[in-house]
Amino acid sequence: GAGVSQSPSNKVTEKGKDVELRCDPISGHTALYWYRQSLGQGLEFLIYFQGNSAPDKSGLPSDRFSAERTGGSVSTLTIQRTQQEDSAVYLCASSIRVSALTDTQYFGPGTRLTVL
Amino acid sequence: KNQVEQSPQSLIILEGKNCTLQCNYTVSPFSNLRWYKQDTGRGPVSLTIMTFSENTKSNGRYTATLDADTKQSSLHITASQLSDSASYICVVMGGSYIPTFGRGTSLIVHP
Repeated sequence: GAGVSQSPSNKVTEKGKDVELRCDPISGHTALYWYRQSLGQGLEFLIYFQGNSAPDKSGLPSDRFSAERTGGSVSTLTIQRTQQEDSAVYLCASSIRVSALTDTQYFGPGTRLTVL
Repeated sequence: KNQVEQSPQSLIILEGKNCTLQCNYTVSPFSNLRWYKQDTGRGPVSLTIMTFSENTKSNGRYTATLDADTKQSSLHITASQLSDSASYICVVMGGSYIPTFGRGTSLIVHP
C-alpha cells in the first residue's frame, strides 16, 4: 500500500472488554513502532519490532497490553480488560531500518480508542 | 531523564504572517532532531531532520534551526497558510531507537 494503515479508525468499548488494534506497515519496512497519544500529552512509546528480533516491550504500561507482529508485516496491539485511562489515540509507525537513528518513521492515521 | 519541551503550547496567527515555534531538549546523547506536522485526525508527518552538525534545514516555507550547544531548536513558518493549521511536534533521537516526543504546539491560522 501507499502508506501505513490502521484499523479500526475508531473503537468504543466498555470497561473490562478486550480490544485488538491492527497496523499494516509500508511494504518492505522492517521496523514497526506502536505509540499512544493521550489528550494534551506527547506521544508515548509502547513497543518496537525490528525484523525477527525480540521486540522491545519496555514501553508497555501494564501486562494488560501485548503486541504481535506476524510474518514481519502486520501487527496487532491487544489491550485486555480495558480501563478508562486506556482511552487515547494509538498510533503505529514503520521505517525501512537502514539506520535506526536517522530513519524516517511513517505514521498511520491512528485508532481512537474510547473506553466507557 | 530525557525531556523535550515545546513552546508555546498554542498559537493563533493571521494568514500570511510568520511565526516561530520553540523546542528545548535535555536528551543525551544526541543523534538528531525532527519536526513533525500532525493534522487533526492524522498521524504525524516529518518536516525536517537535523543532526548534530547541521544548524539549519529548510522545507519550503518551513525552516528549522538547531543549536546543539544550548539544546534548542526552532521551527519558523513563513507566509502562513490556512493549511498550516496543525500540531507541530519536536522529536529528539538519542542513543537508542526510542524517540522522545514533545507535547506539540497547536497552531491555528485564521483567514
